Amino acid sequence: DAGVIQSPRHEVTEMGQEVTLRCKPISGHNSLFWYRQTMMRGLELLIYFNNNVPIDDSGMPEDRFSAKMPNASFSTLKIQPSEPRDSAVYFCASSLKGYSYNQPQHFGDGTRLSIL
Amino acid sequence: KQEVTQIPAALSVPEGENLVLNCSFTDSAIYNLQWFRQDPGKGLTSLLLIQSSQREQTSGRLNASLDKSSGRSTLYIAASQPGDSATYLCAVKGLGSSGGYQKVTFGTGTKLQVIP
Repeated sequence: DAGVIQSPRHEVTEMGQEVTLRCKPISGHNSLFWYRQTMMRGLELLIYFNNNVPIDDSGMPEDRFSAKMPNASFSTLKIQPSEPRDSAVYFCASSLKGYSYNQPQHFGDGTRLSIL
Repeated sequence: KQEVTQIPAALSVPEGENLVLNCSFTDSAIYNLQWFRQDPGKGLTSLLLIQSSQREQTSGRLNASLDKSSGRSTLYIAASQPGDSATYLCAVKGLGSSGGYQKVTFGTGTKLQVIP
């Protein structure tokens, strides 16, 4: 069974450019999470979807960040315009049955983003 | 606001030794606690999930305990192996309001090195 798939694995771009990160959750999972990991702040939840609907986006740092989940098998996290402080590893995770259940989260390998 | 602390930040042990990793949290009103491992350049792999009503969970050489009243969890690794070298993170899911979203807070991790 394929795990959570993220693309690209690495992204290097200049500040001001638009960045789009992609995620394919595990088939059958109906909860999807976007996280950001930095040395300074550790792992932070950015946004959580349940059944393709955003439930909590309080972790999204600014209006420059937006996330969508047009269907059960695909999600995007977009940064526009990007800034050097957005440099981090961005993880996508999915779980079964929704956030209220005792279900473990399964993580992708992340996208390492560098904004120059 | 929930705070999750993992001490020590790094640990180095000889192969074969039994070891304990610690996780402390400030708000005992939790839904569950999950232990992950993270290998360099990779996402997180779920190891064990303990529900708030449970005291411990076991998987192979791993045993995780939970003491909500004292705000502590431990991850015990028996007969450590070089392949156990990774960063170990704990994550606490809080109790949301009735029917509400339950936030997950991650610790900053313990980097474990098992020396052959």
